[in-house]
Amino acid sequence: DTGVSQDPRHKITKRGQNVTFRCDPISEHNRLYWYRQTLGQGPEFLTYFQNEAQLEKSRLLSDRFSAERPKGSFSTLEIQRTEQGDSAMYLCASSLALGSGQETQYFGPGTRLLVL
Amino acid sequence: KQEVTQIPAALSVPEGENLVLNCSFTDSAIYNLQWFRQDPGKGLTSLLLIQSSQREQTSGRLNASLDKSSGRSTLYIAASQPGDSATYLCAVRVPDYKLSFGAGTTVTVRA
Repeated sequence: DTGVSQDPRHKITKRGQNVTFRCDPISEHNRLYWYRQTLGQGPEFLTYFQNEAQLEKSRLLSDRFSAERPKGSFSTLEIQRTEQGDSAMYLCASSLALGSGQETQYFGPGTRLLVL
Repeated sequence: KQEVTQIPAALSVPEGENLVLNCSFTDSAIYNLQWFRQDPGKGLTSLLLIQSSQREQTSGRLNASLDKSSGRSTLYIAASQPGDSATYLCAVRVPDYKLSFGAGTTVTVRA
């Protein structure tokens, strides 16, 4: 399967611990996005990369959150000193920039985080 | 700031009935609009993408329309089946590339 993959699929942690999630995009895709989804809501944008450059970060992304895409391929999202409010589904998406309006974002299965 | 609203929040229909899902957005300066399906606890599956210059897109039993000037899109699902039970999300793409999502419509098709 050559879709977007995310690891782990589920993570339970205690408040105050650090967690790291990984996303492997579709191989030829140059853009990679992170979204967060809480129960009953649509996903909210967190950040995105064009190749290895992080081009935009949402104000939702506090200084406890950091994302990297070191070689323009896979990406990691780290949350330091987790809080109960960080409990959510973290979704990764990737796309291939084809010009205005042509871009379709393909989503991975998500990582569900529960902070106790 | 782009606001996306989906009405109704939930819908229950008997098998075979046509489904009509509504999406509205506040800023008409969009690149495209996508409809997604999400099964419980799963990621998102793209169903249809409508470019800002298009009025509608069709795929099998699905048809989506877009009226950019009024900030509305409608997803029609013909002859619904129990397997269509899921949450349907619409998202608009604005010029800064990210998607702005609605909260979704949760559909239950009763056998």
